[in-house]
Amino acid sequence: KAGVTQTPRYLIKTRGQQVTLSCSPISGHRSVSWYQQTPGQGLQFLFEYFSETQRNKGNFPGRFSGRQFSNSRSEMNVSTLELGDSALYLCASSLFGTGGNEKLFFGSGTQLSVL
Amino acid sequence: SQQGEEDPQALSIQEGENATMNCSYKTSINNLQWYRQNSGRGLVHLILIRSNEREKHSGRLRVTLDTSKKSSSLLITASRAADTASYFCATDAIGNTPLVFGKGTRLSVIA
Repeated sequence: KAGVTQTPRYLIKTRGQQVTLSCSPISGHRSVSWYQQTPGQGLQFLFEYFSETQRNKGNFPGRFSGRQFSNSRSEMNVSTLELGDSALYLCASSLFGTGGNEKLFFGSGTQLSVL
Repeated sequence: SQQGEEDPQALSIQEGENATMNCSYKTSINNLQWYRQNSGRGLVHLILIRSNEREKHSGRLRVTLDTSKKSSSLLITASRAADTASYFCATDAIGNTPLVFGKGTRLSVIA
């Protein structure tokens, strides 16, 4: 069974641009969560999607958005990039997500650098 | 805000020694999980312990949970150089909330 796939692996953008990251969950998994990881803040929860609906949202500005498609693949978008958005963005999938009492399967992440 | 807080932040040991990492959290939980991350990569799930369990084993890993003290510990026995990584605890709080991670313990195992 293929694992969680995130593309691209690395991304370099400049301030003010926007970026779209992609995540393909494990086949059969309906929940996709996104996390931002920085050295100072650790892993911060961005949002969770389940069956194309946003089920939970973290404390991030509206520049961060996401969506999930009918095949459970998910994308997250960051508009008007700031230097502080430089981070490793991690996607994780699971069968039932929040409240499911289950583990998360993580992708390798997208390393975003904003110059 | 962070739910789990790991202690110590960094740990350096010799190969063959045991490594112990601790995690404290603030609210009531359904379960607590431990993950491992090699540098710059995704997290890998190690073990999940439910709130009604006190101890769990998986290979060289031993996890304990004390809900009265809101704390957990991860013990890695007979450590190897390949165990060098960051270890995170994550709490699944009661209520419809996402998994929340601590900032991790960086473990270095020296051959």
